[in-house]
Amino acid sequence: GQQLNQSPQSMFIQEGEDVSMNCTSSSIFNTWLWYKQDPGEGPVLLIALYKAGELTSNGRLTAQFGITRKDSFLNISASIPSDVGIYFCAGRSGGGADGLTFGKGTHLIIQP
Amino acid sequence: KAGVTQTPRYLIKTRGQQVTLSCSPISGHRSVSWYQQTPGQGLQFLFEYFSETQRNKGNFPGRFSGRQFSNSRSEMNVSTLELGDSALYLCASSPGVAREAFFGQGTRLTVV
Repeated sequence: GQQLNQSPQSMFIQEGEDVSMNCTSSSIFNTWLWYKQDPGEGPVLLIALYKAGELTSNGRLTAQFGITRKDSFLNISASIPSDVGIYFCAGRSGGGADGLTFGKGTHLIIQP
Repeated sequence: KAGVTQTPRYLIKTRGQQVTLSCSPISGHRSVSWYQQTPGQGLQFLFEYFSETQRNKGNFPGRFSGRQFSNSRSEMNVSTLELGDSALYLCASSPGVAREAFFGQGTRLTVV
């Protein structure tokens, strides 16, 4: 089946630093989504990408849909304590007939 | 606009029993999908419904089933529960096929 490789698995950063994480796939995706999940809660949608090469921002977050359709990255600028959590990428292939395939997540830890 | 509502939030069941989980999507959303989240396997797609029809199914045994009602509300059922079914079950609603998915808080199922 489809697999998404998300890296890094975890990040220990200082408050105010920029963060970058990415996902790569063995197959082509038509949709890339980025989520944040806090303990005991469901994933919250951060950014949705639908076109190859698309670059989209949401406040301090920026994500891009790779030109090859097999990768995507998420950047967070000037991290703050509330950015702590697990970030997931998710991709969807086909014409919408498939469910989302998720990466294993990037655990972001911010040191004061 | 109210978000995705899942009930109950927590469940404890015994091996061999069956369980039914409920999901109310965002008003106006006709697509509902279900995911299982475990520490070992991460987030995995179970199935998706659109206008009361199952559009796609993930790689789970037949003990996992679902349905969608005319008001778009959905239920999933797990029969003959096994210890390995312990997980966070997440429901997501979408405004349409191949669109972004918004998750509920999930139902934490523990099988003892």
